[in-house]
Amino acid sequence: AQSVSQHNHHVILSEAASLELGCNYSYGGTVNLFWYVQYPGQHLQLLLKYFSGDPLVKGIKGFEAEFIKSKFSFNLRKPSVQWSDTAEYFCAVMGGFKTIFGAGTRLFVKA
Amino acid sequence: DAEITQSPRHKITETGRQVTLACHQTWNHNNMFWYRQDLGHGLRLIHYSYGVQDTNKGEVSDGYSVSRSNTEDLPLTLESAASSQTSVYFCASSPGLAGVSQETQYFGPGTRLLVL
Repeated sequence: AQSVSQHNHHVILSEAASLELGCNYSYGGTVNLFWYVQYPGQHLQLLLKYFSGDPLVKGIKGFEAEFIKSKFSFNLRKPSVQWSDTAEYFCAVMGGFKTIFGAGTRLFVKA
Repeated sequence: DAEITQSPRHKITETGRQVTLACHQTWNHNNMFWYRQDLGHGLRLIHYSYGVQDTNKGEVSDGYSVSRSNTEDLPLTLESAASSQTSVYFCASSPGLAGVSQETQYFGPGTRLLVL
């Protein structure tokens, strides 16, 4: 069965710290991978996505993610977080006609 | 500007009542989705539609129904509301032009439902 696991439910960082949010998935076929972000009081919006090609994907606001097929992982990274990155981050996997979201990671960035 | 809206944004109801949550998109997207968001579970798919008159069950469809009579709207109905259905509900849409699994979904603002 298709599943997505996000390693941390809550992460607290100080501004300028580096960020890595883990995402692992299980699915037997070809997958497309997404990270969505939900800022406080706002809609979910797309951060970045991977379909094929270069496994290092760059998204908006300085975020990037690396697809490691052998590890079934799609971790999100940012070298230096800002207070405005405080949000909830969701990893999503689409395989076939189904989309599965992870449970989300709440990031708090201290100013 | 094109957008996706949900109404109401907040709703309090009693167990056993029928509740309908509206979702309206002006992008002319073929695909529409309903999710519920619960702490520790992330987003779980309730129902989805790939076009007018098409509806499909998602991961957690029990107690919910949808209908798609036009492109713009996918109302979600809770036939007999239960306390377990207290949640935040998100509607989303995607174009439905390319392969479904490669399309970004665009989300509405959410509806907070409390069932007492």
